[in-house]
This record gives sequence, structure tokens and C-alpha cells, in this order.
Amino acid sequence: SAVISQKPSRDICQRGTSLTIQCQVDSQVTMMFWYRQQPGQSLTLIATANQGSEATYESGFVIDKFPISRPNLTFSTLTVSNMSPEDSSIYLCSVGPGHEQFFGPGTRLTVL
Amino acid sequence: QKEVEQDPGPLSVPEGAIVSLNCTYSNSAFQYFMWYRQYSRKGPELLMYTYSSGNKEDGRFTAQVDKSSKYISLFIRDSQPSDSATYLCAMSGSVGQFYFGTGTSLTVIP
Repeated sequence: SAVISQKPSRDICQRGTSLTIQCQVDSQVTMMFWYRQQPGQSLTLIATANQGSEATYESGFVIDKFPISRPNLTFSTLTVSNMSPEDSSIYLCSVGPGHEQFFGPGTRLTVL
Repeated sequence: QKEVEQDPGPLSVPEGAIVSLNCTYSNSAFQYFMWYRQYSRKGPELLMYTYSSGNKEDGRFTAQVDKSSKYISLFIRDSQPSDSATYLCAMSGSVGQFYFGTGTSLTVIP
């Protein structure tokens, strides 16, 4: 299994600002995934990030709001832009060989 | 209708009890079924992974898949306080997206 770290682990941000979340994996992986986990709701896939190509966004998520970078095979960032209180959530990155996904510890974001 | 339904609980059991956690789903194309355990303030951790129907056992944990009923279960035998966590089911088809349940919160009381 892969070891995944995320930074920051948590943050409190003001409305209208942006936060960039970093995800680092201890091995090279083709696909990285970004999820959102809101209280009482299931994990929701935001986008899939492949190295060297544009991220693929799920319905309801757009690049202007959640820009993603994937500069190499071990690293990715997700930016939450122009934040509102509705963006308060846990953001998780994951990687997987096939159908076994492994998750990072998550970034707990609170927007005031 | 949601793709995956999971009773959120909370579920509270005494130490040593057998725990049964369940999910139902609507998409007959799902072939891969996973159970994740998530401790408070941690990311989900893959517990069990099953392809198609049948049972899979790993120590105190048994995963069951009944595709005819679109129903999956996770059994925990001899439950321990360290099993206290939220358990998420997840499933996917041959390609692409995972669908997660909302998670069941379990507390095992010493």
C-alpha cells in the first residue's frame, strides 16, 4: 500500500480567500484522486488527476473553483478558490492500483 | 435513489459481540466491493476488497456480497474497543468511479 501525506492537516480560512492543499505519495502513481467528505454525507469525488494532462472533473465541480496541479508522479495540489462557508469540509487525496484506493489523512477546512 | 445506501447508525455494542454492517446498492454493474474503516480525524483505511459475489475472510473480519439481492455485509467477530470507528462501504463497476456509502459509526464498549 502507498503512504500518503497531506498538508495542511487543518485550516481555518476567511470567506473569499483560497487554500492550496498538497498531497505527497511515497511511490510513483499514475492516477490521483481528490475527494470531499462532508458531515453525514458520502465521500464525493471532485476530480481525477493524471500526470501530464488536465484533471478530469466530476459533475458539479469546475476547474475555476477547484484547480488541480499534477507536476509529477508523486505529488498533486488541490486549490479551493474564493471560499464560502459551504466549502467547509474534509478534503482527501487518494491513489490506487485498480479498485483498491488508499487515502491520505485528509485536510479539515473550516471557512468563516 | 442513491447509488449506495448505508445505515449511519450509530451502533453501540459490548466488547466481544458480533457486529454486522450492511449496504445496499442499485447499480447491477457494480463488481468490486470494498469496506473502509475510518478513525476520527483520519483518512479511510481499506479493510476488505471483494470481487463479485461470495465471502472473504481476514482474521476477525468477513465480507459478504450477494449480487442477486444487491446487498453487502461486513461482519466483525469478537469486537474490540479498537474497532470503534466509522465503517464505509464502497463499490465500483469495471471502470471508473467509486461510490461510497455515508458510513456507519460503531462504538465497542469495554
